[in-house]
Amino acid sequence: ELKVEQNPLFLSMQEGKNYTIYCNYSTTSDRLYWYRQDPGKSLESLFVLLSNGAVKQEGRLMASLDTKARLSTLHITAAVHDLSATYFCAVDHGSSNTGKLIFGQGTTLQVKP
Amino acid sequence: DAGVTQSPTHLIKTRGQQVTLRCSPKSGHDTVSWYQQALGQGPQFIFQYYEEEERQRGNFPDRFSGHQFPNYSSELNVNALLLGDSALYLCASSLRAGEQYFGPGTRLTVT
Repeated sequence: ELKVEQNPLFLSMQEGKNYTIYCNYSTTSDRLYWYRQDPGKSLESLFVLLSNGAVKQEGRLMASLDTKARLSTLHITAAVHDLSATYFCAVDHGSSNTGKLIFGQGTTLQVKP
Repeated sequence: DAGVTQSPTHLIKTRGQQVTLRCSPKSGHDTVSWYQQALGQGPQFIFQYYEEEERQRGNFPDRFSGHQFPNYSSELNVNALLLGDSALYLCASSLRAGEQYFGPGTRLTVT
């Protein structure tokens, strides 16, 4: 059974600092997604990572995927308050793309001025 | 281009009742997946519909059932509601098993 684990689960950081969120998964998968969720809201897609070594960047966020290590990272550069949210990684359940996503527990990021 | 829409936004039901939630997919999408998100947790996959059939199912009891219509819209039905069914129910649409786009969700409270 595929398991997805994120750490840390909660992260409080100062504006301007850098940090990394880790996402480990237990079985082979072709696709990994990162989502953002604001309190009481739905999921906003941030990144889709499709292959080993994939790296994508948008603003202060950069995501990477190492399929051999079954690890993805979401790196935050020079955090700002607007990045405060909960971040989820999700992995497609099958070895080929099935659309059944298994989510991590989420990492709640709090950026303090 | 309308995104994924869900109705209702909020719903309060009593234990033992039945509820139906609705989802209209993003234009051009043919697959609908449903997720349950309990407070403070990650979403959990309930099931997926494609070509009006349930294609995949997560670890949810038979009380959870669904339907997909010819226009690709979908319903989620939950029978014999339990307090533990209180959650945010998210619908996601995609083209086959491609990238999923999530709707705003339906917040279900069971009292």
